[in-house]
Order: sequence, then structure tokens, then C-alpha cells
Amino acid sequence: AQKVTQAQTEISVVEKEDVTLDCVYETRDTTYYLFWYKQPPSGELVFLIRRNSFDEQNEISGRYSWNFQKSTSSFNFTITASQVVDSAVYFCALSEAGDDKIIFGKGTRLHILP
Amino acid sequence: NAGVTQTPKFQVLKTGQSMTLQCAQDMNHEYMSWYRQDPGMGLRLIHYSVGAGITDQGEVPNGYNVSRSTTEDFPLRLLSAAPSQTSVYFCASTKGRTQYFGPGTRLLVL
Repeated sequence: AQKVTQAQTEISVVEKEDVTLDCVYETRDTTYYLFWYKQPPSGELVFLIRRNSFDEQNEISGRYSWNFQKSTSSFNFTITASQVVDSAVYFCALSEAGDDKIIFGKGTRLHILP
Repeated sequence: NAGVTQTPKFQVLKTGQSMTLQCAQDMNHEYMSWYRQDPGMGLRLIHYSVGAGITDQGEVPNGYNVSRSTTEDFPLRLLSAAPSQTSVYFCASTKGRTQYFGPGTRLLVL
């Protein structure tokens, strides 16, 4: 069965600090997909990234970067030089290749303090 | 191209009332799904559909019905609302393993 664990319920950092959000997943499939979504205070869900299990290269997009490590079943998300606008709930999610369902973690609420 | 739309945005129901949450997408996606979001629980899958005429249960299907008569529409029905169904409901459609979410419906059951 697939499972996503986001152990950090809530994190607060001061603006301009770097912050890493942890995501650990469980799956029996060798082919799967990992995602990160952002939910700002306005409530909508915003897609950030999708990664397939065969691509372990780290990804960087501006101040955002993702570290995928199959050896530890982790897909961590780092925000560099955080800004107040990064304050949101962030969800990690998993989808197995043989199943269209996407299972979400419980989310991490990130507070960036000015 | 409106993406995924949901109506209503907010609804108050009394226990025992029924209602339908509407969801529509104009992207011709086959896969659609319904989630509920509760504090501290993340997003939990209620029902999903891999195409018109095909639906299946997710993690928390009890108390909800769905149907999929067209590719575009995927309504979620509450037959007899309960306070435990107070939540924010998100509809999503999926293409290429990426989900596109609607804006959500906030439901309060008194």
C-alpha cells in the first residue's frame, strides 16, 4: 500500500532563512510518481513539481529545490532565502504507476515571519 | 479554458439534508477525483473515475455517491448530510499524472 508521511506539522522561520520540508513515502512499486503542491492562505491547490521514480536528479526552480533519494524513500523540498509569500501549507503526494490514484501526506504548514 | 470549476463555493446544510456538489472540467481529462480536506488530515480521496461510466471508491467513500455520465462532469452527492461531513471539498482532473484542482467547496453541516 502507498503512504506519504510529512512528519513536520508546522514550521516557522524568519524571512530569508532556508527551510526544508521533509517527505517520506512508502510504495511496493518500482515505478511511481512524487509530487509537491502548495496551498496558500487563499485555499487553492497549486502544483509545484512531479518526479518519476527513474529520475533521481535534483531539481531546482528559482528558490525552490527538491532532493529525491530512493535509498531513503524521501523527496524533500527546500526553499532558499524564504519570503513571506512562501507561507502556505505544502503537500507531498505519491502515485503508483499501476494506479491513477494520488495519495497525499497530511501537509506541513509553513510560516515565514517578517 | 476554465480548467476545473466547482459549485457552490460555500454551502450550509442541516443534518439529514441532501445536496450535490458540482464539478466540471473542459480539458477532456479522463480521470477525475474528489477529495475532502480536514484540519490535520491532509487531502483524503473520496471517489474517483477513470472515465465516463466508471467510478470507484477512495479512502473515505461512506456517505457519498458519485456518477460520471460525461467526461466533463463528476458530481458528488451527499444523500443525508452529517456534521462529520463538514469539510472543504476539492475536485480534480488528471492528465499526465498531474492533478488540476478546482477552487474547492466549503461545506458546513449543522
